[in-house]
Amino acid sequence: EVQLLESGGGLVQPGGSLRLSCVVSGFTFSNYVMNWVRQAPGKALELVSAITGSGTGTYYADSVRGRFTISRDTSKNTVYLQMNNLRAEDTAVYYCAKDPITTTVVVLSYFDYWGQGALVTVSS
Amino acid sequence: VLMTQSPATLSVSPGERATLSCRASQSVSTNLAWYQQKPGQGPRLLIYGASTRATGIPANFSGSGSGTEFTLTISSLQSDDFAVYYCQQYNNWPRTFGQGTKVEIK
Repeated sequence: EVQLLESGGGLVQPGGSLRLSCVVSGFTFSNYVMNWVRQAPGKALELVSAITGSGTGTYYADSVRGRFTISRDTSKNTVYLQMNNLRAEDTAVYYCAKDPITTTVVVLSYFDYWGQGALVTVSS
Repeated sequence: VLMTQSPATLSVSPGERATLSCRASQSVSTNLAWYQQKPGQGPRLLIYGASTRATGIPANFSGSGSGTEFTLTISSLQSDDFAVYYCQQYNNWPRTFGQGTKVEIK
């Protein structure tokens, strides 16, 4: 059974940092692109970042490029999202999501499995 | 690509049919997925390729459309189907989602 479990959310002040983790199981982690998708209150879901199975290819939304860094540790079956210089508009539930096909580059795709989400609140 | 879903809320009685719409601001071919989300949970993939049901999705869920107009039909609503439904295009960067349609009990 495929499972994705996020952790690391919380309350942080503007300008602060937070690191999210997503531990996965039930599939060969190194074969799939992994993603972080966020859902801000009253807004549409937004793909924030993606990383290839090897970790060498990444994607960032314009809204987070230069502030967020995605990484993965195959030995721990974990993908991370390091979030720096956080802003109020980064407040959202952050989901870890898996691509459905094995590729070596970040491609246009849907998401076949999602975690339950981690709430990040940026407020003073 | 801007994805627009309608209606925002759909009130339906159990056993009735629900028809949800998703419109793309430009053609996305059939690179369109539908998700179901319940409170406190992540989205669940229902449909991809505009009309292909994901693994384990019951046959009362069906998707149709191509280009800019898409429809998700739930043929006979069960209590477990009351949720929020999202469409997502994966034809153009960045991948984008609609705002969602909430299906509630009438």
